[in-house]
Amino acid sequence: GAVVSQHPSWVICKSGTSVKIECRSLDFQATTMFWYRQFPKQSLMLMATSNEGSKATYEQGVEKDKFLINHASLTLSTLTVTSAHPEDSSFYICSARQPPTDTQYFGPGTRLTVL
Amino acid sequence: GENVEQHPSTLSVQEGDSAVIKCTYSDSASNYFPWYKQELGKGPQLIIDIRSNVGEKKDQRIAVTLNKTAKHFSLHITETQPEDSAVYFCAASRFIGVGGATNKLIFGTGTLLAVQP
Repeated sequence: GAVVSQHPSWVICKSGTSVKIECRSLDFQATTMFWYRQFPKQSLMLMATSNEGSKATYEQGVEKDKFLINHASLTLSTLTVTSAHPEDSSFYICSARQPPTDTQYFGPGTRLTVL
Repeated sequence: GENVEQHPSTLSVQEGDSAVIKCTYSDSASNYFPWYKQELGKGPQLIIDIRSNVGEKKDQRIAVTLNKTAKHFSLHITETQPEDSAVYFCAASRFIGVGGATNKLIFGTGTLLAVQP
């Protein structure tokens, strides 16, 4: 199957700082990528849909000014958590849709801990 | 809104037995149903998927069945092995087609499968 990578795999930061997470499709071009958040023992919660060259579409209840998404190329999307607080601590996972189908391949996830 | 229900939430089986996980979706227009396996601390891994134009798909020890009328789909794992232990998620989406609006996956709540050696 297709490969999606994320960097970093884990990050610890102080409250009030910003953190950037990268998501890359390694062997295919993805016009659409998705960002999810997952709390322990829970399902995946879609945060936003990222389309190359256009603004991201955020799900209801997700603050777009806090979670900045940039999809500048067909293989890279970034999620920046601005002014992070302890309640932002979570497991963030991206996925990329492999065209021309709707099959989504997931990255390995990024564990964010905000102190 | 769209919803996917998944049962059971936990499932324990003996090595070599079969495991079945069931999902029900609410959006009758859904036409794509993937299953993901997630190991602790890792991202979900696609293990099998099915589209609405077929009723069953099999890949070695894994099979998925789809009943469009009842809006049910199920994952079947035969001859389970300890390495099958993980959380399994079903999902559903409505793929409009190439060039259509971007679809999104609606996930079930997950099933923790434990295969006892």
